[in-house]
Amino acid sequence: AQTVTQSQPEMSVQEAETVTLSCTYDTSESDYYLFWYKQPPSRQMILVIRQEAYKQQNATENRFSVNFQKAAKSFSLKISDSQLGDAAMYFCAYRSYLGSRLTFGEGTQLTVNP
Amino acid sequence: EAGVAQSPRYKIIEKRQSVAFWCNPISGHATLYWYQQILGQGPKLLIQFQNNGVVDDSQLPKDRFSAERLKGVDSTLKIQPAKLEDSAVYLCASSLEGGPNGELFFGEGSRLTVL
Repeated sequence: AQTVTQSQPEMSVQEAETVTLSCTYDTSESDYYLFWYKQPPSRQMILVIRQEAYKQQNATENRFSVNFQKAAKSFSLKISDSQLGDAAMYFCAYRSYLGSRLTFGEGTQLTVNP
Repeated sequence: EAGVAQSPRYKIIEKRQSVAFWCNPISGHATLYWYQQILGQGPKLLIQFQNNGVVDDSQLPKDRFSAERLKGVDSTLKIQPAKLEDSAVYLCASSLEGGPNGELFFGEGSRLTVL
């Protein structure tokens, strides 16, 4: 079974600075998808960014980018120019290429200080 | 476009009572998911429907949890009888397709407190 581990329960960053959230996963599959979701206090999960394992190029969405290291099974999220609205719980998630179930990590609570 | 709707947002019950949560997915979305999110943990899939058929219910505690999706649209998740450890947020999500390419859209969740 796949597992996802987020070793940072809490992180904080100053507004306009850059922060990196860590995620590692365990799988025996070669094809899969990785995601970062944001969950604000309203509780609605929002997709931030997605990476296909067969793509070597790291995904980027505006101020959000990932560092995908397939051999190391590492998938970190970098948030540049942090904004107050980025404050939320961030979840790393894994999805098999053959299925649709998302396996989530425990989450990292990000605080953005003005 | 309307998002995934869930109700109620909050529910407090005593152990051994029953509770039901309702979800209305985004129009046209064939796949519907129920996730359980215990405080301090990531969401865990309880059940996945494709139209009105069950695709995956391997993590659903079937002795107390049940779910249905009549007519392939709305869905209801029921817990009977509730235990203290069922206190959690129950998230409903839907996607246009059920495969790995289908992006999930989540509702705001229903928070259950069992006393």
